[in-house]
Order: sequence, then C-alpha cells, then structure tokens
Amino acid sequence: SQTIHQWPATLVQPVGSPLSLECTVEGTSNPNLYWYRQAAGRGLQLLFYSVGIGQISSEVPQNLSASRPQDRQFILSSKKLLLSDSGFYLCAWRPGPTATGELFFGEGSRLTVL
Amino acid sequence: TQLLEQSPQFLSIQEGENLTVYCNSSSVFSSLQWYRQEPGEGPVLLVTVVTGGEVKKLKRLTFQFGDARKDSSLHITAAQPGDTGLYLCAAKRGGGSNYKLTFGKGTLLTVNP
Repeated sequence: SQTIHQWPATLVQPVGSPLSLECTVEGTSNPNLYWYRQAAGRGLQLLFYSVGIGQISSEVPQNLSASRPQDRQFILSSKKLLLSDSGFYLCAWRPGPTATGELFFGEGSRLTVL
Repeated sequence: TQLLEQSPQFLSIQEGENLTVYCNSSSVFSSLQWYRQEPGEGPVLLVTVVTGGEVKKLKRLTFQFGDARKDSSLHITAAQPGDTGLYLCAAKRGGGSNYKLTFGKGTLLTVNP
C-alpha cells in the first residue's frame, strides 16, 4: 500500500533562518506531488505542485521554493523565513492525472516563525 | 477565480443530533470530494462524487452532489463526538490533465458528549 511521510512534524525557527521540509511517498511511482499551507486550521492554499522529477509549478509568489530531486521526494525550502511563513504545511500526492483528482495527505508540519 | 463556499463555518451540536453542511459554487465541477481533518493531522478523504444528483452513503454520513454539479451537501445522522473535525470540500474542473483541486475553507464541527 502507498504511504506518505513528511518531517519534521514541528519546527520553531527564528525570522531570517532557512527552512527545509521533506516529504516522501512510498509504494507508488511517478506520483503528482503537492505542497499546501493551512492557516489557523482553515482552508488549504496550494503552494507548489510537481508532475515529475525536476518539474515544479508555483502557485503563489513568495520566498518559498520547492524541489523534486527524486521521483517520490518533494522538498519545501526557504532561504530566509518571514513571520508570515508560520502555518501548517501539508504534503499530498495522487497517482498521476486521475479523472477525479483525489489527494492523499501527509501528517503535516507545524512551522512557527518567531 | 473559482470559489467553493462552505457553510456554516462553525457548528457546535450535542451528541445524537443531525446536521447538514454545505459546499456551494457558481462553477461547474467534474468531481467533488469531501475530506475530514482532525487537529494536527492531514485531511483524510471521505468520498468523491462525480455525477449530478449522485448520493453516496458512508455509515451515518450522506453525501449529495447537486444536479448541476455546482454544489454538494454532507448530512450526518446521530452525530457522535468522533465526528468532530474540520470538514473540507474540494473540487476539480475539467479532465484528467487538470492537476489542481480547489478547496473550501471548511466547516469546523464540534460534537459535544
């Protein structure tokens, strides 16, 4: 069966410090991968998605970036964090361009920028 | 910009009561999903509906997709404390090559024992 893991689960970082959140999917190949941010336990904002290795689409211009160095690995990064980057970050996958588009989410990473 | 409006935003009820939450849009969608999210965890898929007028049941949960595929409802019968969570609807326009889902802001449900 397929599983998705992301880490770290919780992170407290000072303003201006770098960030790296990692997500790995197991049990599938060539998944579509996504990074979402959720503020205050509410709606999900799509940040990045990837349909293949090295292919990244950005939805929101900001100081975050994403990379996909391997088929089942998706990384969210920042060189210098802002206070507004605080939130709950969710990685998700789906098995390619399915007709109905269901997503399967990781456990989430809680980022607090102080 | 396509929007999914969920209502109510917050709902607090007693165990055993029935409830309905809504997901509405002015856009037509090819499919719509409902997810439930518990605090500190990722959303978990509950159901996908694809046909206008479709009704799906998952134990005490009944999901309906509007005839015009612009809206959906989730009805819970005899709610239990374990139903507490954030209920999110998400929808996709177009065919398989469309990679993005649009999410509503969710209904935060609290079921009190």
